[in-house]
Amino acid sequence: DAGVTQSPTHLIKTRGQQVTLRCSPKSGHDTVSWYQQALGQGPQFIFQYYEEEERQRGNFPDRFSGHQFPNYSSELNVNALLLGDSALYLCASSLDNPYEQYFGPGTRLTVT
Amino acid sequence: GQSLEQPSEVTAVEGAIVQINCTYQTSGFYGLSWYQQHDGGAPTFLSYNALDGLEETGRFSSFLSRSDSYGYLLLQELQMKDSASYFCAVREDFNKFYFGSGTKLNVKP
Repeated sequence: DAGVTQSPTHLIKTRGQQVTLRCSPKSGHDTVSWYQQALGQGPQFIFQYYEEEERQRGNFPDRFSGHQFPNYSSELNVNALLLGDSALYLCASSLDNPYEQYFGPGTRLTVT
Repeated sequence: GQSLEQPSEVTAVEGAIVQINCTYQTSGFYGLSWYQQHDGGAPTFLSYNALDGLEETGRFSSFLSRSDSYGYLLLQELQMKDSASYFCAVREDFNKFYFGSGTKLNVKP
């Protein structure tokens, strides 16, 4: 039973560029949440997707957008990258009652 | 606003018991989760409390008092592999979790 997978593992981008991160949820899960984790901090909720719609959003600007596909996989897009966007981006999947979330290994994004 | 307070670092010896506290102030509350994260790894789910009281899962227990906006994670019979960061997370809305900054647990032989 495959767990949550994310790609790429690491990414280096230049300020102002755009980036797309990908996530495949755990088998059988239909809900995907994205988190940003800065070094030494806890994960911060970006948004959640369910049935291909953004269902809930945290305190992140519109530069952060996402998508969910019919197979429940998801993408996180960040436009106009800032140095402060450097972080570990985590994807978590769950069933519709999401108190137990399964996290992927994350994508380490470095913006220079 | 939202705030979660947990100690930044705790040190304990192998075989001992350690308690990691979490106090919270959020606009909504559905429950409190605990996650473990080893360096370089993904957070893994440990427990969830929606109601007051103690939940036990093996060596780990979690407690919640909604009236005090307080919870704790209790780790018994500490092992070296328990060295990790532990996060409390408030389920602020049905689909939204707000994580604390984490407690780094150092287990010494």
